[in-house]
Amino acid sequence: EPEVTQTPSHQVTQMGQEVILRCVPISNHLYFYWYRQILGQKVEFLVSFYNNEISEKSEIFDDQFSVERPDGSNFTLKIRSTKLEDSAMYFCASRYLLTTDTQYFGPGTRLTVL
Amino acid sequence: GIQVEQSPPDLILQEGANSTLRCNFSDSVNNLQWFHQNPWGQLINLFYIPSGTKQNGRLSATTVATERYSLLYISSSQTTDSGVYFCAVPSSGGYNKLIFGAGTRLAVHP
Repeated sequence: EPEVTQTPSHQVTQMGQEVILRCVPISNHLYFYWYRQILGQKVEFLVSFYNNEISEKSEIFDDQFSVERPDGSNFTLKIRSTKLEDSAMYFCASRYLLTTDTQYFGPGTRLTVL
Repeated sequence: GIQVEQSPPDLILQEGANSTLRCNFSDSVNNLQWFHQNPWGQLINLFYIPSGTKQNGRLSATTVATERYSLLYISSSQTTDSGVYFCAVPSSGGYNKLIFGAGTRLAVHP
């Protein structure tokens, strides 16, 4: 069964460094999402992406964050200058149809900012 | 925006027991998903269930969309069922981002 993949599984970085989290969505999917989960809390929406542009973003998704689909298969989340509070699990998700379809989640990248 | 509430927040079971987890949502929705977060933090899709009942092995789910709730049943629980169970519904409008509940943390003891 097709699945969403994410790399790396765990990333440790120093405060102020840039990180890029990578995702490969399911190949025929059209809608892409990033979510994050701070340890012990609920999963929160960050951003959605469709037709090569951001379709919706949350208040969390400030100027330090950016997303890109550089080559038609990868979907990346960049954090320009990491803060301690960016430490979280980051999930990528994709779906084929907008309203009547399962959103499939990747296994997540655990980001630790020191 | 839509609110999602899950109950109970915590549940402790002996292996072999049955349980029911509940998800209430504040507005009408056109789909609902249940997830299991395992000890490694991965979110595992359990059900996509906008209405009606579905079964998958020892797990089943029922959504009553008109009354704005969904139930997840776990029968004959096993230690591997431990983890956090989340329900999530799409926000109205926009690109259907999922709104998650706070989860039910389940611990199954041998």
